[in-house]
Amino acid sequence: DADVTQTPRNRITKTGKRIMLECSQTKGHDRMYWYRQDPGLGLRLIYYSFDVKDINKGEISDGYSVSRQAQAKFSLSLESAIPNQTALYFCATSGSGSGGEQYFGPGTRLTVT
Amino acid sequence: RKEVEQDPGPFNVPEGATVAFNCTYSNSASQSFFWYRQDCRKEPKLLMSVYSSGNEDGRFTAQLNRASQYISLLIRDSKLSDSATYLCVVIPANAGNNRKLIWGLGTSLAVNP
Repeated sequence: DADVTQTPRNRITKTGKRIMLECSQTKGHDRMYWYRQDPGLGLRLIYYSFDVKDINKGEISDGYSVSRQAQAKFSLSLESAIPNQTALYFCATSGSGSGGEQYFGPGTRLTVT
Repeated sequence: RKEVEQDPGPFNVPEGATVAFNCTYSNSASQSFFWYRQDCRKEPKLLMSVYSSGNEDGRFTAQLNRASQYISLLIRDSKLSDSATYLCVVIPANAGNNRKLIWGLGTSLAVNP
């Protein structure tokens, strides 16, 4: 079984809808991250969490919120989706000491129409 | 100047060839470096860390040149399965406990039969 899972894998939604992307991990890592990837822009950090009580904004957090329900679960919400949030979204985890050694989920392809 | 820059390619090489990519970084005090591999529409996967003394893993060799502020990835005896995008990751010196990663946009490699 995959160490980092994301649901859904694909989602098409309409402008203005609320949507939640979920991430679970079995690696026992404290740190979890949400990224989006767009052609030509690379990976950009949305939010990250170093433990259940720690939530931090990344470089592009506007329009997004997160919840760290447990060490193993980190969800990303789009309160009111807009078309420029169409992207590939990745969840990642890392151990406390590694930082640069991140383990990614398979991604969620989100399309906002 | 971008914090991390990579030649986007594509690099087209025949099977068995040796190919090398560089990644330049702007912060001379950057402390940690990594190479990730990403297949089309898939998640990034850690390929190798880059140590000051360089490191080798099978056909892959990574090196750091602090004086010229770049890291390199050398792939020997290229296989068809090496076709992917190779992402450079740098952790800047001022990352602190956050250890924020700076991602390059990637270099595309196509190994041809």
